Amino acid sequence: QLQLQESGPGLVKPSETLSLTCTVSGGSISSSNYYWGWIRQPPGKGLEWIGNIYYSGTTYYNPSLESRVTISVDTSMNHFSLKLSSVTAADTALYYCARGDIVMVVATTHESFDIWGHGTMVTVSS
Amino acid sequence: DIQMTQSPSSLSASVGDGVTISCRASQSIANYLNWYQQKPGRAPRLLIYAASRLQSGVPSRFSGSGSGTDFTLTISSLQPEDSATYYCQQGNLAPRTFGPGTRVDIK
Repeated sequence: QLQLQESGPGLVKPSETLSLTCTVSGGSISSSNYYWGWIRQPPGKGLEWIGNIYYSGTTYYNPSLESRVTISVDTSMNHFSLKLSSVTAADTALYYCARGDIVMVVATTHESFDIWGHGTMVTVSS
Repeated sequence: DIQMTQSPSSLSASVGDGVTISCRASQSIANYLNWYQQKPGRAPRLLIYAASRLQSGVPSRFSGSGSGTDFTLTISSLQPEDSATYYCQQGNLAPRTFGPGTRVDIK
């Protein structure tokens, strides 16, 4: 059974770079049927999509974060990573990694996050 | 960017009631719409994809409908374990925006 686990520092200083890793277990990260994503949730607020990375290496980022975000995959380690630069207090959130499923429905492909990690809280503070 | 809105922002209903949550996109997204359930302290769970397709393992009392800009999540007979926040998400177009959420409480 596929599982995802986020890891990384729980405290990051303002202006520094937030770095998180999502380790995939129980399955391979190298599958064209899936993609991998990051989503965050500030305390007491809703979900914000950060970005996705696909088997081809193509990435899509939330325009509001695009200038500061990098998502990458390390197939040898079976994990993918998030880097968010120049963080501020507004980046304080619970960060989730998730597997994206690509399903054919009546000849069109549909994407959704079907497996999620438990989330890791990151606080930006000096 | 495509904006997603949900209504109501919260509701309270009794066990056994039928519940409907609405989601609206700022422009047509065909049927590229997903619904998630999030309980306190837990990660979101996929309920519905492609607007109306039930994810494996999700109880049949959950259903989704709609296309274009207007979508609905229906719980046919509310159960105590359905107390949660529900989010819609447009699934295929950048950015993959989530709605603000609808909190469902049990009376």
